[in-house]
Amino acid sequence: GEDVEQSLFLSVREGDSSVINCTYTDSSSTYLYWYKQEPGAGLQLLTYIFSNMDMKQDQRLTVLLNKKDKHLSLRIADTQTGDSAIYFCAESGDSGGYQKVTFGTGTKLQVIP
Amino acid sequence: DAGITQSPRYKITETGRQVTLMCHQTWSHSYMFWYRQDLGHGLRLIYYSAAADITDKGEVPDGYVVSRSKTENFPLTLESATRSQTSVYFCASSEGLLALSSYNEQFFGPGTRLTVL
Repeated sequence: GEDVEQSLFLSVREGDSSVINCTYTDSSSTYLYWYKQEPGAGLQLLTYIFSNMDMKQDQRLTVLLNKKDKHLSLRIADTQTGDSAIYFCAESGDSGGYQKVTFGTGTKLQVIP
Repeated sequence: DAGITQSPRYKITETGRQVTLMCHQTWSHSYMFWYRQDLGHGLRLIYYSAAADITDKGEVPDGYVVSRSKTENFPLTLESATRSQTSVYFCASSEGLLALSSYNEQFFGPGTRLTVL
């Protein structure tokens, strides 16, 4: 089945850039997503990218997609303490008319003041 | 209040007991999902439902039962709880997913932390 892999932990200093990486196996993925989970809360969609794009920028967030290598990254510029959270990569693809979403293991981002 | 809610937020139970986790959404979304979140495994899909009275298994359905008699509710029952079912459970919902041209945002509840002793 589909698989989405992420490293478990990333630590950065406040003001630096953070780069969270993700690899996936489903070559037929149509959309790829980044969700953010703050402590004690559910996941919230942060951003997404369509599979025919290679980059998407949204304020401090930059998503890069390398479809050939099945690699997705999320760059957070000028990382703030409020960015401390778990970030989940996810991909969706057709599963018999239903757009199935597969989530990665999540990367815990720690921002050091 | 609008949104997706889960109850209870915290539950402690004993091995062998039946437990039901509730999920309610006010958007009339077609699809609803149950996930469990465990360290090192991320989110794993337990069951999902495409509409009232339509449910299907996800990645880890064993030991769980779901029902969906109304669009807005999607309860998850652990018929005989085991220690391995200690986890944080998330309910989510989304709109109809038939159009692959549309991105598929799932909206998550706040989670239920379940401990099985």
